[in-house]
Amino acid sequence: NAGVTQTPKFRVLKTGQSMTLLCAQDMNHEYMYWYRQDPGMGLRLIHYSVGEGTTAKGEVPDGYNVSRLKKQNFLLGLESAAPSQTSVYFCASSRLGEQYFGPGTRLTVT
Amino acid sequence: ILNVEQSPQSLHVQEGDSTNFTCSFPSSNFYALHWYRWETAKSPEALFVMTLNGDEKKKGRISATLNTKEGYSYLYIKGSQPEDSATYLCARNQAGTALIFGKGTTLSVSS
Repeated sequence: NAGVTQTPKFRVLKTGQSMTLLCAQDMNHEYMYWYRQDPGMGLRLIHYSVGEGTTAKGEVPDGYNVSRLKKQNFLLGLESAAPSQTSVYFCASSRLGEQYFGPGTRLTVT
Repeated sequence: ILNVEQSPQSLHVQEGDSTNFTCSFPSSNFYALHWYRWETAKSPEALFVMTLNGDEKKKGRISATLNTKEGYSYLYIKGSQPEDSATYLCARNQAGTALIFGKGTTLSVSS
């Protein structure tokens, strides 16, 4: 099993550009999450999904959109990137208990 | 939004020292409390998931306790080793909601 994978691992964007981060899991988990990690801020929840076709807002959803068209995939979109979105993004999945995290995507917006 | 507070923010100990950290959280509508270990340049990995008041869990030299009535959990490390150096995160959720994480306690163990 690959567990949780994230694509891409690194990306540099210019302000105003758009991109989509892909998270995939092969553990048949119902729940999937997107977090961002910033220095001194820990992990902050952006959006999450409790099942295929459903999404919900987390702590810091502004500037991001998500989709869960397939159970194994959870996409995070930035429609118009801003420097404030420079961060490391982690995806995670779970059933009802512990979460399994992907390796992270380092995004820089210049 | 549930506020999860962790203390101390960082900690430096010598090899062989025992140490503990605190996680405090609102006790209302409690469902579960998680502890994760996060090494630099890696992803967080689950240590414990606790749901019942009075729960105690142990994994090797690391153990955790839970008090849901007063809203706190302790993580203990006995005989710290350099490989224990990491950030330790706690997180809680209510039933049917996602985890909310604290900012973590960063432990540095020197030999």
